[in-house]
Amino acid sequence: KNEVEQSPQNLTAQEGEFITINCSYSVGISALHWLQQHPGGGIVSLFMLSSGKKKHGRLIATINIQEKHSSLHITASHPRDSAVYICAVRRETSGSRLTFGEGTQLTVNP
Amino acid sequence: KAGVTQTPRYLIKTRGQQVTLSCSPISGHRSVSWYQQTPGQGLQFLFEYFSETQRNKGNFPGRFSGRQFSNSRSEMNVSTLELGDSALYLCASSYGLGYTFGSGTRLTVV
Repeated sequence: KNEVEQSPQNLTAQEGEFITINCSYSVGISALHWLQQHPGGGIVSLFMLSSGKKKHGRLIATINIQEKHSSLHITASHPRDSAVYICAVRRETSGSRLTFGEGTQLTVNP
Repeated sequence: KAGVTQTPRYLIKTRGQQVTLSCSPISGHRSVSWYQQTPGQGLQFLFEYFSETQRNKGNFPGRFSGRQFSNSRSEMNVSTLELGDSALYLCASSYGLGYTFGSGTRLTVV
């Protein structure tokens, strides 16, 4: 079993829909990251979480440390949100090493 | 401020050759980590350098090596290239718990 599990693997939505991507992990962490990757490969860090909830524009990320679970929400989705979203954890005992989920391919249709 | 710079962006090599990739971190960031991304395996950790010392290493064969210089720039080297080494190689520089990724080097081995 992977240390970081994401669901769903693929998600297709209509513009304007509310989207949720889930991430579960099985190790102790110092931080959890949500990353966005567009075609072409570049990765952008969206959020870093160690507790609670963060919001940036239409994006909201939450984490429940006790349940080892995080969610990324996109409100009022737009075609430009189409990308791969990746959950990554920094383990408590592994320096700067990140362990990644498999990613969620999101497609938002106009 | 300048981001993380990876060179070259694209590379085509022949089986058996060796290759060196470069990563220049954000000024002031002393930690650089390297990752390999393939369609089959996703993102996997290669190694991490901090202040010229390798602090962590992933499960890759000895053909994969790296180093970091006193200005924090890092290089990774892959010797005796195999077809399976074709991948996107990403580096990330970090300060504290945050990460900034480079655009990656796409290596194709033919």
